[in-house]
Amino acid sequence: EAEVAQSPRYKITEKSQAVAFWCDPISGHATLYWYRQILGQGPELLVQFQDESVVDDSQLPKDRFSAERLKGVDSTLKIQPAELGDSAMYLCASSREGLAGAGRTDTQYFGPGTRLTVL
Amino acid sequence: AQKITQTQPGMFVQEKEAVTLDCTYDTSDPSYGLFWYKQPSSGEMIFLIYQGSYDQQNATEGRYSLNFQKARKSANLVISASQLGDSAMYFCAMTPLGAGSYQLTFGKGTKLSVIP
Repeated sequence: EAEVAQSPRYKITEKSQAVAFWCDPISGHATLYWYRQILGQGPELLVQFQDESVVDDSQLPKDRFSAERLKGVDSTLKIQPAELGDSAMYLCASSREGLAGAGRTDTQYFGPGTRLTVL
Repeated sequence: AQKITQTQPGMFVQEKEAVTLDCTYDTSDPSYGLFWYKQPSSGEMIFLIYQGSYDQQNATEGRYSLNFQKARKSANLVISASQLGDSAMYFCAMTPLGAGSYQLTFGKGTKLSVIP
């Protein structure tokens, strides 16, 4: 069964350092999402891509976070500089396509996540 | 704006018994989708079941069923014949079915513990 791949699984860094997370969605999935999950909470969307284009990054802290999906396949999320409050699980998800206005949606499948600890 | 409320921080169930996890939602969107995900301690979010707001029948997937009551804005998850491997966090989520972002709005989750 196809899966969403993420790496690394765990990352420990010191504040002010740069960190990067990688995600490879299920093959053929056009839509890719990055979520952040703080301990004890549900995930919250950071950014959504449709192919290589950003659809929604309204909740991405753009002063320190950046995301790209250059060829419309895998994606990288970067934090520079990392802050203590960035400690969280970073989850990547993909779906076949977001069908705007179609009255239905495709299921989002999640990867195993990257657990970030900022010291 | 959308909001998901899960009022049960933790639940216990005896192995082989059924359990209901509560979820209520609030939205101004006329069309929406409701999801349940399972998150074991390993961290991965595992899709369990989906219900569309216009679906006439309640969704079922194996031991999982969704008790959808549109007028009450509730979408409770029922797990039948609980197994030890069902111990995990369970999240209810929703997304609008219209133009724009399909971001999932999640609740805070319910931690289910299955007792042997």
